[in-house]
This record gives sequence, structure tokens and C-alpha cells, in this order.
Amino acid sequence: GAGVSQSPSNKVTEKGKDVELRCDPISGHTALYWYRQSLGQGLEFLIYFQGNSAPDKSGLPSDRFSAERTGGSVSTLTIQRTQQEDSAVYLCASSLGGTHTGELFFGEGSRLTVL
Amino acid sequence: GENVEQHPSTLSVQEGDSAVIKCTYSDSASNYFPWYKQELGKGPQLIIDIRSNVGEKKDQRIAVTLNKTAKHFSLHITETQPEDSAVYFCAAGGNYQLIWGAGTKLIIKP
Repeated sequence: GAGVSQSPSNKVTEKGKDVELRCDPISGHTALYWYRQSLGQGLEFLIYFQGNSAPDKSGLPSDRFSAERTGGSVSTLTIQRTQQEDSAVYLCASSLGGTHTGELFFGEGSRLTVL
Repeated sequence: GENVEQHPSTLSVQEGDSAVIKCTYSDSASNYFPWYKQELGKGPQLIIDIRSNVGEKKDQRIAVTLNKTAKHFSLHITETQPEDSAVYFCAAGGNYQLIWGAGTKLIIKP
């Protein structure tokens, strides 16, 4: 596709369940970012991938959060034992390089609701 | 840690008037300053950016100014239109990461 694709667009889950969010970046983009955006708030950085490695995972809120990227392309963000405070929109972005000084292309996000 | 402060959090202007959003950053090593626009239900989209070797950049109705000495930069939108209604985010970046402002909700009144 032409842009960054995220799935699911909406996910409702029960507290304590695990969820997986998927991001398909723009072809050829080596850098991939995950952000979290709570209702009406700014962007909270979670993790950054350059290729398949994650040189910066400083934003992951707890060990319940993990992410991987395979083949330098698709990335999956996994949240284990979800809590109500995990409810937010999870945004993925990709860019051509990893210098943090280039345009980020965002997907439309995955809205997670934990009941 | 490093941070970016953005003001105001909400800005309401009459259609046709100008809007100005200001950001202040703390990391003197920052050398890249983008502005993103986020419409409801969408991801943010880059509208303009500026690098530290430039003081001002303009693209049609949008302009950004940078004052590295004072460590602040501003977004200017002239002749505002209804489609300018959105949330705007500033950010400051360097070699290690992009630090984001909290966002400004811009409301264009008809």
C-alpha cells in the first residue's frame, strides 16, 4: 500500500487479556516508531526500530509491553495482561532513515479499549 | 529530561484571521523542528519543518520561525480556513530522538 497500515483499527478487550497490534510500514522505510496517544493528549514515545533492532526502547511503560520487527518490515506491539490504563490509541510511524530528522509517516492508529 | 513546551493548548480564531502557536525546547543540541497536523481519527501529518541553519521558512499560508538563541520556534498560519481546524504538534529533534509538544487544538470560527 501507499501508506502505513495498522491493524486492528479498533480493539476492545477485557482486563488481563493479551493484545497484539500490527504495523505495516511504507516499503523501504528502515525506521519504525510506536507511540501512544491517550484521549486529547500528546504523543508518548514507546519504541524505535532501525531495521530489526530496537536501539531505543526507553519509552515502554512496563515489562508487559514488548515489540518486535521482522524482515525489516512488519512490526508487532504486544501488551500482556492489559490494564484499563492501557486504553489509548497506538500510533505507528515509519521513515526513510533513523536520524530522527526526517519526515515521519503515521498510520491511522489502533484504538485499544480495555474494559 | 529534555522537553518541549507548547502554547496555547487551545486556540480559537475567526476564519480569515491568523493563528500563531509557540514552542520552547530545552535541548540545545536540537537541530530539526517539524510541525505536524492531526485531524480527527487520523495520524499526524507533517506540514512544515525547519532546520537549525535557517531562521524562517514559508510554504503558502504556513510559516515557521526559529530563534536558536532563545530556543523557541513558532508556527504561523495566515488567512485561516475551516480545514485548518485540527490539533497541531511541534517537535524538536537531534541525533537521538524527537521530543514532542503536548499539542494545540486550533478551532476556526465561521
